Amino acid sequence: DTAVSQTPKYLVTQMGNDKSIKCEQNLGHDTMYWYKQDSKKFLKIMFSYNNKELIINETVPNRFSPKSPDKAHLNLHINSLELGDSAVYFCATGKTGEAYNEQFFGPGTRLTVL
Amino acid sequence: AQSVTQLGSHVSVSEGALVLLRCNYSSSVPPYLFWYVQYPNQGLQLLLKYTSAATLVKGINGFEAEFKKSETSFHLTKPSAHMSDAAEYFCAVRAGGTSYGKLTFGQGTILTVHP
Repeated sequence: DTAVSQTPKYLVTQMGNDKSIKCEQNLGHDTMYWYKQDSKKFLKIMFSYNNKELIINETVPNRFSPKSPDKAHLNLHINSLELGDSAVYFCATGKTGEAYNEQFFGPGTRLTVL
Repeated sequence: AQSVTQLGSHVSVSEGALVLLRCNYSSSVPPYLFWYVQYPNQGLQLLLKYTSAATLVKGINGFEAEFKKSETSFHLTKPSAHMSDAAEYFCAVRAGGTSYGKLTFGQGTILTVHP
């Protein structure tokens, strides 16, 4: 029973298209995140949601829009895809409370923009 | 603002040898520190974390790390490497505060284990 799941695992698309990546967690956590891992494996936070409210938005282009229909889901919609959007996107979740609470990561979605 | 520097993007050891992966942090407030491991084509898995309860932290798979405030370091070690330890390792820091504060990652260290 996967704790944090993402769909799809692989996504290949053309420049200019709009695509979505879905994330679901069954850990009962209040906080969910999206990270981008670039070709050099550098991992950077994009968004953080707590109880369906946006907490962190890290200078991400507004072509990226996270949507949280409920506490168990945080989807990432990307408009007008660009070549530079090619990366692995990770969803993560964490318990609200202490700052030492760790985050639990999904398996990632590898996005390739042609 | 906080930051993490991992010294050495690649570390290669022989099976059975000591593993040492270096992490130095910068934080204006007492930090919380984490080590994650990423196996090929997988997500990140927590190895261990520093919560200020003890400076020497033991994690899964025989790994441990020591928090040294004077050196602003949190190096990851394992006495004897196994082939299955081959993966990429990430050090991360979060400044004290709420649990949904930003987690900042280092650039990662790829560990290769030779037979």
